[in-house]
Amino acid sequence: GQQVMQIPQYQHVQEGEDFTTYCNSSTTLSNIQWYKQRPGGHPVFLIQLVKSGEVKKQKRLTFQFGEAKKNSSLHITATQTTDVGTYFCAGVTGGGNKLTFGTGTQLKVEL
Amino acid sequence: NAGVTQTPKFQVLKTGQSMTLQCAQDMNHEYMSWYRQDPGMGLRLIHYSVGAGITDQGEVPNGYNVSRSTTEDFPLRLLSAAPSQTSVYFCASSYSVAGDTQYFGPGTRLTVL
Repeated sequence: GQQVMQIPQYQHVQEGEDFTTYCNSSTTLSNIQWYKQRPGGHPVFLIQLVKSGEVKKQKRLTFQFGEAKKNSSLHITATQTTDVGTYFCAGVTGGGNKLTFGTGTQLKVEL
Repeated sequence: NAGVTQTPKFQVLKTGQSMTLQCAQDMNHEYMSWYRQDPGMGLRLIHYSVGAGITDQGEVPNGYNVSRSTTEDFPLRLLSAAPSQTSVYFCASSYSVAGDTQYFGPGTRLTVL
């Protein structure tokens, strides 16, 4: 079945440092979504990418969708303590009805 | 709108007991799903539904049953709880399909002794 892996599993940064998480799928995705889960909370939708090579920005967050539509990345510039949480990518293959989540990257930001 | 609601928030069961986790949404969403979250394994799809009366299996369906008699409700039933089912369970809904924005409930933390 479809597998979606994320690296790294954990990342500790000092406030102000940059952070990147990478998402890789074993199959081609029709789109990729990104979610953020704060400690003790539930996943919250951040963004969706649909087109090959697409790049979207949300303030300090930059999202990319690979040319082959099998990988994606999330980059945070100048992390803040409010960025703490686990970031998940999720993808649907073709016309499927199943959304597969990545394993997640847990981000900790230290002052 | 309340969004997606889940009850209970916490539950402790003994091995072999049965229970139902409740999930409801008031956004008239067609697509609903159940995930379990375990450390280091992300969110794994248990069952999903594309509309009232239609359900299908996800990645880890064994030990769980679902039904969708109304658009609003999508309960998850554990027939005979096992320690391996200790997890955090999230219900989610979206407008139409899996590729739409998913709205998650607050989760149910289940411990099976």
